[in-house]
Amino acid sequence: QVQLEESGGGLVKPGGSLRLSCAASRFTFSDYYMSWFRQAPGKGLEWVSCISHTGQTIYYADSVKGRFTISRDNAKNSLFLQMNSLRDEDTAFYYCARESYGTRAFDYWGQGTLVTVSS
Amino acid sequence: DIQMTQSPSSLSASVGDRVTITCRASQSISRNLNWFQQKPGKAPKLLIYAVSSLQSGVPSRFSGSGSGTDFTLTISSLQPEDFATYYCQQSYSTPYTFGQGTKLEIK
Repeated sequence: QVQLEESGGGLVKPGGSLRLSCAASRFTFSDYYMSWFRQAPGKGLEWVSCISHTGQTIYYADSVKGRFTISRDNAKNSLFLQMNSLRDEDTAFYYCARESYGTRAFDYWGQGTLVTVSS
Repeated sequence: DIQMTQSPSSLSASVGDRVTITCRASQSISRNLNWFQQKPGKAPKLLIYAVSSLQSGVPSRFSGSGSGTDFTLTISSLQPEDFATYYCQQSYSTPYTFGQGTKLEIK
């Protein structure tokens, strides 16, 4: 069964940085586009960023562009999200998800990691 | 950005009821429409992709339909485990956007 496991969340002050990781297993990671999503507590879902299987194509939501950087290491089956200049409104559960090949649907999600931005 | 509007935002129903949730896109998204179920404290779960294709392992009481800008998710006979929040999501273009969610509660 496909597994995705996020880590790296925690409490950080406004203006601070955090790096999230997503460890992938039980599928050929290098074949798939991957995305990060987030969900503020009690709120709806928001797409954050996506990266192609090679890492050459990357997109960001306007809300994080210039502050967050998505990357991947296919040799280590890992996805990353470097978050800089964090704001209160970045407080959320962050999920990594696999984009199903050919369908553009996000078929597997991690369990999420909580990022809290607060002074 | 493509705006996704779901209705209703909440819904009370009973076990055995037939329920329909609608989703409207602000522009045509062809068939790039997916439905997710989310339970408290859990990650979203893909139910339906490409408007009407049932994700593996999802019960057949879930179905989807529509095209262009208007879409529906139907649960033919509600089961106790179906009480959750449901989201539509467009994957036509980035930024991928979601509806605001429909919370399905027990009557």
